[in-house]
Amino acid sequence: DAGVTQSPTHLIKTRGQQVTLRCSPKSGHDTVSWYQQALGQGPQFIFQYYEEEERQRGNFPDRFSGHQFPNYSSELNVNALLLGDSALYLCASSLDQGRYGYTFGSGTRLTVV
Amino acid sequence: GQQVMQIPQYQHVQEGEDFTTYCNSSTTLSNIQWYKQRPGGHPVFLIQLVKSGEVKKQKRLTFQFGEAKKNSSLHITATQTTDVGTYFCAGQETSGSRLTFGEGTQLTVNP
Repeated sequence: DAGVTQSPTHLIKTRGQQVTLRCSPKSGHDTVSWYQQALGQGPQFIFQYYEEEERQRGNFPDRFSGHQFPNYSSELNVNALLLGDSALYLCASSLDQGRYGYTFGSGTRLTVV
Repeated sequence: GQQVMQIPQYQHVQEGEDFTTYCNSSTTLSNIQWYKQRPGGHPVFLIQLVKSGEVKKQKRLTFQFGEAKKNSSLHITATQTTDVGTYFCAGQETSGSRLTFGEGTQLTVNP
């Protein structure tokens, strides 16, 4: 059990559609980060949420947006999906903006057709 | 921007042989973290190194952080089939900043 829960586990969308991915952090964690992992590559940082605010952002377009709720859970939204958005989307939770390591969820496999 | 490079990309060993993966950052790091991802799985946190020259051991795994805090290595002694997976290093430039991952080293172990 990873402690971080992501839903859904798999998703197939059509180009141009919008998608929302959800994440519940490990109990006691206050920070949620989102990563995109293409096949055979390392996770790429999308953004990090702490105290319900986006604190840091990676090199991703504005089509990628997110939210953190008062209970620390988070959503990742992607608009106007492109084929290149097909990837494993990982949510990672941590204490105090990741100073002590991250716990990753099992991810959402997004396929855009 | 910060880049983290890892070599080798792939490593095939016979069970019982040793394995080492190397990680190099383009910038000085506050800390470096190591993760293991099994095939079809998600990254699992192994360890965090913070101090210059730090060496930490976890059973057959030895982690080192370079004196300049720009490079790191993971060494596995006497590999087992359970060691199969991709090992990632990930660095933070400042404590609490984004985690930048290397491309990983995929380890396969032949029994």
